[in-house]
Amino acid sequence: DQQVKQNSPSLSVQEGRISILNCDYTNSMFDYFLWYKKYPAEGPTFLISISSIKDKNEDGRFTVFLNKSAKHLSLHIVPSQPGDSAVYFCAALATSGAGSYQLTFGKGTKLSVIP
Amino acid sequence: DSGVTQTPKHLITATGQRVTLRCSPRSGDLSVYWYQQSLDQGLQFLIQYYNGEERAKGNILERFSAQQFPDLHSELNLSSLELGDSALYFCASSVAPLSGGVLSSTDTQYFGPGTRLTVL
Repeated sequence: DQQVKQNSPSLSVQEGRISILNCDYTNSMFDYFLWYKKYPAEGPTFLISISSIKDKNEDGRFTVFLNKSAKHLSLHIVPSQPGDSAVYFCAALATSGAGSYQLTFGKGTKLSVIP
Repeated sequence: DSGVTQTPKHLITATGQRVTLRCSPRSGDLSVYWYQQSLDQGLQFLIQYYNGEERAKGNILERFSAQQFPDLHSELNLSSLELGDSALYFCASSVAPLSGGVLSSTDTQYFGPGTRLTVL
């Protein structure tokens, strides 16, 4: 049972345009969400996070939107740059209850930014 | 460079064997996490240690065990290896364990480069 789903295994975007990466979750106990970026032969790197008490968090070119009712979040990258080409993982955790504070990851979306 | 080191980078072994993966956390980080990434899976949480003590367990097989030593480095032991154990194994560290209250920067997990295990 996959609790965090990234349904698009890959995404190609032109340089300068917006990249939108999507993530859905099923566990209503999740109340904190994170995005990690991973380059080949490296470990994941923390990018941005959002608490369930917010619906938007922005950090430079990166914005994460959360729609709690739809159990959906998205990462927007504007403008996209070739250096953004990487695999992006969505992760979620619950801050209470059984199994709390364990990060649950999606399978990742490979973003390719074309110059 | 996250500051988390993992050795070895690559490991090739045979079924039935036992291996040990090593992780050194970032300086000052007390919490260590182990994750497994199989070919078509996302990262699966295995186990967490904080200051030498086991803190949380995820989908870790009984054939696998881990420990965190007084110098805070951690080892993940995998025994009776099977073909399906072939995967990338990541270690992550954070200042504090994810343990309550509002998440802060001290909870951010920094990942090492991983150990690629191939079981033949």
